[in-house]
Amino acid sequence: DAKTTQPPSMDCAEGRAANLPCNHSTISGNEYVYWYRQIHSQGPQYIIHGLKNNETNEMASLIITEDRKSSTLILPHATLRDTAVYYCIVRVASYNNAGNMLTFGGGTRLMVKP
Amino acid sequence: DAGVIQSPRHEVTEMGQEVTLRCKPISGHDYLFWYRQTMMRGLELLIYFNNNVPIDDSGMPEDRFSAKMPNASFSTLKIQPSEPRDSAVYFCASSFGRVNSPLHFGNGTRLTVT
Repeated sequence: DAKTTQPPSMDCAEGRAANLPCNHSTISGNEYVYWYRQIHSQGPQYIIHGLKNNETNEMASLIITEDRKSSTLILPHATLRDTAVYYCIVRVASYNNAGNMLTFGGGTRLMVKP
Repeated sequence: DAGVIQSPRHEVTEMGQEVTLRCKPISGHDYLFWYRQTMMRGLELLIYFNNNVPIDDSGMPEDRFSAKMPNASFSTLKIQPSEPRDSAVYFCASSFGRVNSPLHFGNGTRLTVT
């Protein structure tokens, strides 16, 4: 699976959009980009995933560049409850016994401030 | 949907004692994963099961660690004997076997070995 690079930490003002970048310059054509987050004292939580098109759900938007070498997770109106570590993960969508196991990197610690 | 349920939430034990961590996956999920999280190493995959069968245990650190899944609704991770360096948060996750099905994590068991 391709390696990802994320800034270790970011701040965001409450109510503003939080834009979390991720570099994955070695991504292959069949690898997806996944985002999870981990709020303090909880297990990681799935946010969104995409292949090459931009994606949006009730939690966030995922913008993937045309060359797919980087992506941005957007939380449109960050709240204090969005303070968490955000993980960007790149992996092949698996059809075999590997299931959907994930390899986590260091992530970005997002601090949403009042 | 109660989500993935782990017990106990906290475990404090003395070095040399046996520790058993428990996990109830989401009903209908056919994959189950055990992860360990420490400050130094982040989130590491220990082992995963498909339809109750262990598929990959290459992440299990030593023979002191063992995991079982006697049925689709229950799994255990056992450490015998425990050591202080086993202190960590242990997470269980489950997912459907379909491509891109997200992993659902429990809230973890915080293990402290003194």
